[in-house]
Amino acid sequence: NAGVTQTPKFRILKIGQSMTLQCAQDMNHNYMYWYRQDPGMGLKLIYYSVGAGITDKGEVPNGYNVSRSTTEDFPLRLELAAPSQTSVYFCASSGQVNYGYTFGSGTRLTVV
Amino acid sequence: GQQVMQIPQYQHVQEGEDFTTYCNSSTTLSNIQWYKQRPGGHPVFLIQLVKSGEVKKQKRLTFQFGEAKKNSSLHITATQTTDVGTYFCADFTSGTYKYIFGTGTRLKVLA
Repeated sequence: NAGVTQTPKFRILKIGQSMTLQCAQDMNHNYMYWYRQDPGMGLKLIYYSVGAGITDKGEVPNGYNVSRSTTEDFPLRLELAAPSQTSVYFCASSGQVNYGYTFGSGTRLTVV
Repeated sequence: GQQVMQIPQYQHVQEGEDFTTYCNSSTTLSNIQWYKQRPGGHPVFLIQLVKSGEVKKQKRLTFQFGEAKKNSSLHITATQTTDVGTYFCADFTSGTYKYIFGTGTRLKVLA
């Protein structure tokens, strides 16, 4: 099993550009999450999903959108990138609501 | 909103010394998870604590949940250079489907 796969690993965006961060898991987990981690800081929840077709906002959703059309995939969309979105983005999944999370290896995004 | 604080923010220890990080919340903690993140890596799940007063051990790591569920701790005995990283606690937000992560404690071990 690959676990949680994130692509791309690195990306540089110009201000105002858009992109989609991909996240896929092969563990048949219902619960999926997007976090951002600024340098030397903790993890902030952006969006999460409890199953296909169901998503909800986390602590810092502004500037982002998500969709969950399948159990496996949970892409994160950045519209009109801003320097404040420079961060490392982690996707995570869980088999049950209060089980430990499996994290992907992250996407390092720089907005210039 | 719910906040989960960890102390200390940073800790430098000599190899062989013990290390402890504490996780505290402004509200009663619900269900605590602990994660380790190596430098440049991603968080890795270590353990989950559910009951007040619960103590769990993983080799040199001891995890504890306070009797009043106001705090939790992670203690590492005789640190090794492989223990380097940031340790996060995360508390389950009752009535939702998510965990809130603490601020983390960054551990450096000097050989």
